[in-house]
Amino acid sequence: EAGVAQSPRYKIIEKRQSVAFWCNPISGHATLYWYQQILGQGPKLLIQFQNNGVVDDSQLPKDRFSAERLKGVDSTLKIQPAKLEDSAVYLCASSLGTWNTDTQYFGPGTRLTVL
Amino acid sequence: KQEVTQIPAALSVPEGENLVLNCSFTDSAIYNLQWFRQDPGKGLTSLLLIQSSQREQTSGRLNASLDKSSGRSTLYIAASQPGDSATYLCAVKETSGSRLTFGEGTQLTVNP
Repeated sequence: EAGVAQSPRYKIIEKRQSVAFWCNPISGHATLYWYQQILGQGPKLLIQFQNNGVVDDSQLPKDRFSAERLKGVDSTLKIQPAKLEDSAVYLCASSLGTWNTDTQYFGPGTRLTVL
Repeated sequence: KQEVTQIPAALSVPEGENLVLNCSFTDSAIYNLQWFRQDPGKGLTSLLLIQSSQREQTSGRLNASLDKSSGRSTLYIAASQPGDSATYLCAVKETSGSRLTFGEGTQLTVNP
C-alpha cells in the first residue's frame, strides 16, 4: 500500500514570497490533516479536511495560510506571503475517517526555510 | 487548553539498557493517547495507542501505560538497540474532537 506522498521535500524562499505544498493521501482515506512542526516542537494541527470539507481550521493563520482539497483527494497548502517564523516542516497525514480510534498515517513532510 | 509535556527532552543510553520516557497532559478528559516515533527527515510512525479506558498497551519491546486521573503516560523500551534512536512523541486525542495535541518529544540516542 502506497503511503502519504508530499512534494516538494525541501523549499527555500525569501520572506514575503509565496509557496505551495502538495499532498496525496493514502487511497480511500477520507480525512486529511496538515500539521506545522517547528524545530524542537511537536506537530501542531493547521487544518483538517473530511472529504473536501473543512472540519477544523481553528489554528490556521488565515491571513496568510490557505488550503484546499479539491475532489476530496489531493490537497494543497499555500502560504502568501511567507514570514521568517513560517520556517518549519509541514506534515500531511491521512486517516480512514474521523472516528476517535482512527490511526493517522504521516507523509515525510516538506521542510520550508524562509530567509 | 490541553498541554502535553515530555520529559526528558533528550536521552542518551548504552545499548541493552531498559528505559522510560514520560509524558504528562493537563486535561484528563482525553479519548486516547498515542506514542509516535519520528526519524530524521521522515514522518511520524504510530507505535502504540491506548484508549482512555485502558491501562496499558504492549508491542514487542515497547510497553505504554496510561494513568488518566493523574494525567501521565510512560513508554517503556526494553533492551534498547541502536535502531531505537529517534524522537519519540506522545499525543492526546480529546473527547470533543479528533485533533491530536502533541508533546515536544524526547530525542533518544542508543549508543552501540
